[in-house]
Amino acid sequence: AQRVTQPEKLLSVFKGAPVELKCNYSYSGSPELFWYVQYSRQRLQLLLRHISRESIKGFTADLNKGETSFHLKKPFAQEEDSAMYYCALPAVPPPGANNLFFGTGTRLTVIP
Amino acid sequence: GAVVSQHPSRVICKSGTSVKIECRSLDFQATTMFWYRQFPKQSLMLMATSNEGSKATYEQGVEKDKFLINHASLTLSTLTVTSAHPEDSSFYICSAPPGGLNGGYTFGSGTRLTVV
Repeated sequence: AQRVTQPEKLLSVFKGAPVELKCNYSYSGSPELFWYVQYSRQRLQLLLRHISRESIKGFTADLNKGETSFHLKKPFAQEEDSAMYYCALPAVPPPGANNLFFGTGTRLTVIP
Repeated sequence: GAVVSQHPSRVICKSGTSVKIECRSLDFQATTMFWYRQFPKQSLMLMATSNEGSKATYEQGVEKDKFLINHASLTLSTLTVTSAHPEDSSFYICSAPPGGLNGGYTFGSGTRLTVV
């Protein structure tokens, strides 16, 4: 069964420090993984997906199939990175569009 | 990019009344809409999937008669919480599956429901 685990509910780092938000998954088949971010009083928005291999706002995430991980990293945290971060992957569906399974989220606080 | 407009953003209602939450897809057609529920400090949990022109599919444990879902058109999906009780107080979020170039799901801004 699909599962997404974010072991840290809260993470605090100082501005300028590196940050890593952990995500582990279990999935039958080839997973497509996402990181979504929710800034205060805003809607969930896509941060990045592993297929695109982009770096968004300085964040990167590499899919490690051996470790079944998709950790989110940024070398130098900024105050504006403070937000709730969710790791997610699509359900294995019946035919049709997939819903997303979400991890429990990690609240990142960047300390000035 | 694709935007899903969700209303209301916040609603307070009395026990026993019904509340309707609307999600509209702007500038695109959403044949499917996912409805999630999020309890405080917890993750989003899928409640049901609405499909334009057919019945919604509900996740296990979600009461169909309590959470009425209608997908009236390709741009509108609604969730009605009927005979609301305090335990229904939660944050409800709709989401349309990927259709844009970035491949991401599009989320509504959420509705904070408080039943008193």
